[in-house]
Amino acid sequence: DAKTTQPPSMDCAEGRAANLPCNHSTISGNEYVYWYRQIHSQGPQYIIHGLKNNETNEMASLIITEDRKSSTLILPHATLRDTAVYYCIVRPLGGGADGLTFGKGTHLIIQP
Amino acid sequence: DSGVTQTPKHLITATGQRVTLRCSPRSGDLSVYWYQQSLDQGLQFLIQYYNGEERAKGNILERFSAQQFPDLHSELNLSSLELGDSALYFCASSVAGTGDTGELFFGEGSRLTVL
Repeated sequence: DAKTTQPPSMDCAEGRAANLPCNHSTISGNEYVYWYRQIHSQGPQYIIHGLKNNETNEMASLIITEDRKSSTLILPHATLRDTAVYYCIVRPLGGGADGLTFGKGTHLIIQP
Repeated sequence: DSGVTQTPKHLITATGQRVTLRCSPRSGDLSVYWYQQSLDQGLQFLIQYYNGEERAKGNILERFSAQQFPDLHSELNLSSLELGDSALYFCASSVAGTGDTGELFFGEGSRLTVL
């Protein structure tokens, strides 16, 4: 059973902010929210992770709701190179017994 | 460059054969993960090793096996190959233990084609 729910696809105009939602209503107290992306057939790339506070790094921002049941990944100024499948994953910091399980993700298409 | 090295990058073989995929994790990473990605499919977790010991098992077929060696490199062995085993096989590594942020670093994958 998937622990997260994401829309299968989204479009965003180049230069605009891309906001990718993720629903994780059954998240446990010790589970973090991780985001990865996979650009066509390349190895997945880590983006960001957080527990309950909002996080920002050079790639993106992560907004987690106060009840931790959902989150949004924000790419502030999307470029064509951001076209990829984005995966939202919840897992304990040290990992769980099931490794790191990817769902189907959101295919983000950046339009010129 | 993630620092994770996978060989070979491409491999073509016939049904019924056996192949070995190799993964060298980032320097200092103790944990290795293996994933399978078939055409237009998601990433399927196969197995995880930590410091030489199996730590977690996913949807790995009995025809597949893996191990992690004392130098921490890992090998995924696929035997009695079938057409459906054609896929990209990814290896990832993580620090694990003290200092672990949970971030996985992925290699570029090994593309297996079974004819």
